[in-house]
Amino acid sequence: DAGVIQSPRHEVTEMGQEVTLRCKPISGHDYLFWYRQTMMRGLELLIYFNNNVPIDDSGMPEDRFSAKMPNASFSTLKIQPSEPRDSAVYFCASSIVGEQFFGPGTRLTVL
Amino acid sequence: SQQGEEDPQALSIQEGENATMNCSYKTSINNLQWYRQNSGRGLVHLILIRSNEREKHSGRLRVTLDTSKKSSSLLITASRAADTASYFCATLPGSQGNLIFGKGTKLSVKP
Repeated sequence: DAGVIQSPRHEVTEMGQEVTLRCKPISGHDYLFWYRQTMMRGLELLIYFNNNVPIDDSGMPEDRFSAKMPNASFSTLKIQPSEPRDSAVYFCASSIVGEQFFGPGTRLTVL
Repeated sequence: SQQGEEDPQALSIQEGENATMNCSYKTSINNLQWYRQNSGRGLVHLILIRSNEREKHSGRLRVTLDTSKKSSSLLITASRAADTASYFCATLPGSQGNLIFGKGTKLSVKP
């Protein structure tokens, strides 16, 4: 199994642009999580899905952030418009029971 | 709000020494997990201990859980330079769903 796949690995964009981060969970996992990690705030849960349905999006910072999971093998996290304070590493993780498996992350820099 | 709080925030030891990291949490849990993160990488699951367990071993790792004190410890014995990483505890309040991560302990093992 290839593990959780995220793309792109690095993204540099200018303020105001739309950013789309992508995640492919491990096949058979029914939970998918999006996290954001910064030095200041640590690892924050943004949203998670169970069987493609969003369960808790209370961690999504603002309306500029949205996440979708159209099927069991794909999820996106979109930021529109992006701002410099959105610069962080965004992780996707999936699980079936217990432990979560993390992707390598997308390092986002908003100039 | 933060569930897990690791202590210390940073730890520097010599190769061969033991490293002990502690985690405290606030609410009842189903299980507690420890993860490791190497610089620039995603988190990797190390070990899971259930609420009805008191101690668990995996290789050079030993985890204890004291539910009465709402605390856990991770012991790495005979540390190696390759153990240099950040270590996070994460709690699962319910039977499924999202983990709540602490801010981590940054371990540095000097050769």
